Amino acid sequence: GQNIDQPTEMTATEGAIVQINCTYQTSGFNGLFWYQQHAGEAPTFLSYNVLDGLEEKGRFSSFLSRSKGYSYLLLKELQMKDSASYLCAVRDQYGNKLVFGAGTILRVKS
Amino acid sequence: DTEVTQTPKHLVMGMTNKKSLKCEQHMGHRAMYWYKQKAKKPPELMFVYSYEKLSINESVPSRFSPECPNSSLLNLHLHALQPEDSALYLCASSQASSRQKNIQYFGAGTRLSVL
Repeated sequence: GQNIDQPTEMTATEGAIVQINCTYQTSGFNGLFWYQQHAGEAPTFLSYNVLDGLEEKGRFSSFLSRSKGYSYLLLKELQMKDSASYLCAVRDQYGNKLVFGAGTILRVKS
Repeated sequence: DTEVTQTPKHLVMGMTNKKSLKCEQHMGHRAMYWYKQKAKKPPELMFVYSYEKLSINESVPSRFSPECPNSSLLNLHLHALQPEDSALYLCASSQASSRQKNIQYFGAGTRLSVL
């Protein structure tokens, strides 16, 4: 089966750092993705991890530990426009199927 | 260019209507997807096409009928829908090889209301 857990909501202050956690238990694993989705818009790709460790991309970083079934998305220097839902998704071993977590709604306040 | 284009953006239909959702990409991707997303829920996979052949059907009711006329186009034909089918329907595309990153790029979606 597939089980992906994320916190439902988080609030952070503009300029701060926030970490959004994701734990997963899946029958197969071929990579973990983070997407950002603003209300009423398409999910947009943020980051991808398939090996353990940290991937950094500007203000966004993502970490993966496959042995722990754990990932996090780190957002630095938060901006108001970062207020959105952040979706963790695990790809199955065959490569085409993504299973999404329920998403974390991040609210950035001034 | 990572654009996936979906039309129409909004659709209202009655339970007896027949309508189609359209999706187009020109990134050379050979895998295309339909997802359904209800409010405040994550996208749920419906169908996957790989090299224009249906490879995954997530037990979707037959009132939803996908079609992939060529490598750039994906349609979703709708017939005799129920009010609970009202949702945002998202199309995505990616490379098809299992050895690549295969980032899925999403369209803006069609917001469907069934009356």
